[in-house]
Amino acid sequence: DVKVTQSSRYLVKRTGEKVFLECVQDMDHENMFWYRQDPGLGLRLIYFSYDVKMKEKGDIPEGYSVSREKKERFSLILESASTNQTSMYLCASSLGGGTGNTIYFGEGSWLTVV
Amino acid sequence: AQSVSQHNHHVILSEAASLELGCNYSYGGTVNLFWYVQYPGQHLQLLLKYFSGDPLVKGIKGFEAEFIKSKFSFNLRKPSVQWSDTAEYFCAVNARTGGFKTIFGAGTRLFVKA
Repeated sequence: DVKVTQSSRYLVKRTGEKVFLECVQDMDHENMFWYRQDPGLGLRLIYFSYDVKMKEKGDIPEGYSVSREKKERFSLILESASTNQTSMYLCASSLGGGTGNTIYFGEGSWLTVV
Repeated sequence: AQSVSQHNHHVILSEAASLELGCNYSYGGTVNLFWYVQYPGQHLQLLLKYFSGDPLVKGIKGFEAEFIKSKFSFNLRKPSVQWSDTAEYFCAVNARTGGFKTIFGAGTRLFVKA
């Protein structure tokens, strides 16, 4: 079974803080993704990575950055957290080599910015 | 640009009722289609997917979906729901000629009354 692990399930941060969300997958997947999930909006792609040190912007990258130094680890960084970044953040991974591979999700990180 | 539209945001059914959740997408090329499910407190998981071949796809737990190319639709069905089907359901589209981006619909919350 593919396992995507997000290190923090629940976080509360103050406005202006720098926030790190960590994600590790154990299936040697090339692709990794960060989504945010908000009621009524579904999942929106923030950033994705198709290889170590490679990253691409998704639909809503503003206010976020990412880091992929190792194949199994993909970090999401909020440089200066704001209240409108309060959300559920989902990390995911998939095999590379094509666009139709199943995406496997972690359990999510609930972030509240106060 | 690709988009995915799920017609119902909330559906309430009694046990044994039949279910159909609508999903339409906008993309003129070849697509891969997915339904994901998120049970309360659990991570998103794949329910079923369509890549090619038979447009009627069977998934886990008795779910099926039919791809109708002329209608740009991929509706999810189950003939008889159970209380344990209470969850949020997401339709997703990935364009085969595109990059790695998978676009999700806004989700449909299903509540099944026991």
